[in-house]
Amino acid sequence: KQEVTQIPAALSVPEGENLVLNCSFTDSAIYNLQWFRQDPGKGLTSLLLIQSSQREQTSGRLNASLDKSSGRSTLYIAASQPGDSATYLCAVSPPLVFGKGTRLSVIA
Amino acid sequence: DAGVIQSPRHEVTEMGQEVTLRCKPISGHDYLFWYRQTMMRGLELLIYFNNNVPIDDSGMPEDRFSAKMPNASFSTLKIQPSEPRDSAVYFCASRRTAEAFFGQGTRLTVV
Repeated sequence: KQEVTQIPAALSVPEGENLVLNCSFTDSAIYNLQWFRQDPGKGLTSLLLIQSSQREQTSGRLNASLDKSSGRSTLYIAASQPGDSATYLCAVSPPLVFGKGTRLSVIA
Repeated sequence: DAGVIQSPRHEVTEMGQEVTLRCKPISGHDYLFWYRQTMMRGLELLIYFNNNVPIDDSGMPEDRFSAKMPNASFSTLKIQPSEPRDSAVYFCASRRTAEAFFGQGTRLTVV
């Protein structure tokens, strides 16, 4: 059974800092990996999707990488802003299993 | 497209009552997922469907929980009878190829 782990569980950084969030999974036979953002009391917003054949995806200040053989993905956030404060979750398919997320606080 | 639509957004019910949560996936999506989110356990996958057929319901916690997808545009998650420990936010998600999209969730409180 696929298990997904995210480290750290919480992270607090000053505005402007670059940061990395980590996601690991136990079964490397995945189709894709997706990163989401969740604001308090809200639903999940898709940030980036990486197919199993890809190594990375970029969207604006976000860059996600995937190393399928080692069962790891990272989400890199450049020049963090207070508006980036949220919980970040990764999910692997099949079927679409989530880690418990990293709660990020960016301090102005 | 309006996205994944869940109803109701909030539900407060008494222990022992039946609760039905509803989900309308994005048109054309052939996968539908139901999740439960709590602080302690995070997002738990309860059940998912492909082309209206349940594929894996191993995450359904007890026989009190049941889910149906009578057609491609509608799914329900039913809890009967409800218990206080069922209090959580329940999410529905759908996808067609790879990227999944989530509804806004239903916050269920069982008193």
